[in-house]
Amino acid sequence: QKEVEQNSGPLSVPEGAIASLNCTYSDRGSQSFFWYRQYSGKSPELIMSIYSNGDKEDGRFTAQLNKASQYVSLLIRDSQPSDSATYLCAVSSDSNYQLIWGAGTKLIIKP
Amino acid sequence: KAGVTQTPRYLIKTRGQQVTLSCSPISGHRSVSWYQQTPGQGLQFLFEYFSETQRNKGNFPGRFSGRQFSNSRSEMNVSTLELGDSALYLCASSLGQGPPSWETQYFGPGTRLLVL
Repeated sequence: QKEVEQNSGPLSVPEGAIASLNCTYSDRGSQSFFWYRQYSGKSPELIMSIYSNGDKEDGRFTAQLNKASQYVSLLIRDSQPSDSATYLCAVSSDSNYQLIWGAGTKLIIKP
Repeated sequence: KAGVTQTPRYLIKTRGQQVTLSCSPISGHRSVSWYQQTPGQGLQFLFEYFSETQRNKGNFPGRFSGRQFSNSRSEMNVSTLELGDSALYLCASSLGQGPPSWETQYFGPGTRLLVL
């Protein structure tokens, strides 16, 4: 059973600080990794995708992938109250026409 | 470009009934995936369609079925509804030009189903 694990939270971070979200996965054949953000009552929207080991930066967001340790993380710098949401990690391999999703981490940014 | 649309947005049914949900993907997108989301469970994959063919199916009972039309619009059907089927049903579309695992999925607003 392929699994993706996330700490459900809530993770509370002061405004302006760095929020660190983590995700581990069980399938060593996984090749594609995605972070989605979901506001309460809304549908998920893509923040970042990462396919290679290392860091990928996009504005205030940095995704980090370590395939040897089977984890992927998302860092949010200069956290804003508008970043308060549930962050979903999704993992896939080319053998499946589907993404495996974590249950999400609820992030709360305190002003 | 219009986003993914889903109808209806809200639905109330009783046990034993059946329901059909509709999803219209972004123009030009040929892959449609369906998910069930319940509190604390994350997104559970139902099935994925491409060019009117189901390419993959999640671990849901046969009461859950779907189809895709030639214009890429998709429907999912749930027969003999159970209380546990109450959830947010999301569809997501992607281009379908490569392996779905590599493509960004764009989600619709979802259909919230309540089974009484």
